[in-house]
Amino acid sequence: DAGVIQSPRHEVTEMGQEVTLRCKPISGHNSLFWYRQTMMRGLELLIYFNNNVPIDDSGMPEDRFSAKMPNASFSTLKIQPSEPRDSAVYFCASSLRAGTNEQFFGPGTRLTVL
Amino acid sequence: KNEVEQSPQNLTAQEGEFITINCSYSVGISALHWLQQHPGGGIVSLFMLSSGKKKHGRLIATINIQEKHSSLHITASHPRDSAVYICAVRNNDMRFGAGTRLTVKP
Repeated sequence: DAGVIQSPRHEVTEMGQEVTLRCKPISGHNSLFWYRQTMMRGLELLIYFNNNVPIDDSGMPEDRFSAKMPNASFSTLKIQPSEPRDSAVYFCASSLRAGTNEQFFGPGTRLTVL
Repeated sequence: KNEVEQSPQNLTAQEGEFITINCSYSVGISALHWLQQHPGGGIVSLFMLSSGKKKHGRLIATINIQEKHSSLHITASHPRDSAVYICAVRNNDMRFGAGTRLTVKP
């Protein structure tokens, strides 16, 4: 298996633009997690899905952020409109089941909002 | 006070030394994760623990649920162990420590 795949690896955009980050979990994994990492705040859980259903989105910073998982092999994290403070590395991770299995992380998407 | 505290923040060791990184948490948890983040940014899950001890190669992780404390040990450290080690606790969500930056010098 290729592991968790994220795209793009780098994204530079201007304030106000819509940004879409993509994630393909490991085949057979039922749980998917979106994280954000910044120098100031470290790693933070944004949202996670079990069997394509969002379970906990309490970490999503505000309404500008939304995440979807239309099927077991694909998820998106969208920021609309983007702001400079959204600049961070966004990681996607998957596991067999949330809470009971280790998570496998994707390479991350480095987002810069100018 | 952070819910997950790691110590030390930075650690420099000579190759071959025994390393210990500590993690204390203040919330109830269902599991604790140790993650390794390489200088290039990639994150690897090292261990997931809910009790006792786990060993993988030169790495050992222990957890004491009563004391809400976990340790990550590296035996015979090597320069390639240089990375940031992050403790994360899981209950309904995930809370992360600030990380311990380890540098192992040859």
